[in-house]
Amino acid sequence: GAVVSQHPSRVICKSGTSVKIECRSLDFQATTMFWYRQFPKQSLMLMATSNEGSKATYEQGVEKDKFLINHASLTLSTLTVTSAHPEDSSFYICSAPEGTEAFFGQGTRLTVV
Amino acid sequence: AQSVAQPEDQVNVAEGNPLTVKCTYSVSGNPYLFWYVQYPNRGLQFLLKYITGDNLVKGSYGFEAEFNKSQTSFHLKKPSALVSDSALYFCAVRLSRSGNTGKLIFGQGTTLQVKP
Repeated sequence: GAVVSQHPSRVICKSGTSVKIECRSLDFQATTMFWYRQFPKQSLMLMATSNEGSKATYEQGVEKDKFLINHASLTLSTLTVTSAHPEDSSFYICSAPEGTEAFFGQGTRLTVV
Repeated sequence: AQSVAQPEDQVNVAEGNPLTVKCTYSVSGNPYLFWYVQYPNRGLQFLLKYITGDNLVKGSYGFEAEFNKSQTSFHLKKPSALVSDSALYFCAVRLSRSGNTGKLIFGQGTTLQVKP
C-alpha cells in the first residue's frame, strides 16, 4: 500500500517555543491531508484538513493561529504548533487519502515542558 | 448526526478463542467502512475495508468483518486470537458521496486484550 511518513516521531520542547511536524506521502500525490490529535486511549480528533495550494480547513474549536498548517506541495503538509504549552502535549497523526483508503503517518508524540 | 459507535471500551479474550469487536454506524448514503489497528505510540495500520460486494470481508492478520446493512453494523472478527493481537482497534466510516475529500469518522476505539 501507499506510504505516509511523519517526522519527527517524538519531540520535547519548552513552553513558548514552536514545533513543526512534517507529513509526506512517499509514493503518491495527496492534494488533501488530514491532521488528527489523539489523547491517551482515546479516539482520533480531526483538527484540520490540509489542502494543497489553498488554506486549510479547521474543525470547530481548533485555533488556526496556534496550529498552523501549510500544504506546500502535493507530497508535503506541515503542522506547526506555535507558542506551545503543556496542554498541547499530545499524539498528533496525519493521514492522506489514496483511492478509497486513507494512509496514516507513524504519529508524533509532542511533550511540552 | 453522522457517527460511528464502538460500544465496548475493552474486549478481553483468551488466546486461541474467537474474538469480536463491535461497530455500528449512523450515516446517510452508502459509506465505505474500515477497520484500523493501533499499537502504542504508533500510527494506524489498515486491516480491512468494505466498499461494495460480498458482505464478508477478509483482511490482514486473519481478521475479517461482516457488513450488515439492516443492522448498520460492521463487526470485526477473528476465529483464533493471538496475544500479539492485543492493541487498540478503530472502526471508521468514509462517506462515499461525490465531493467528499476522504475524511473519516472514527469510533471511540476498543482495546483488545488477549491473555495467554
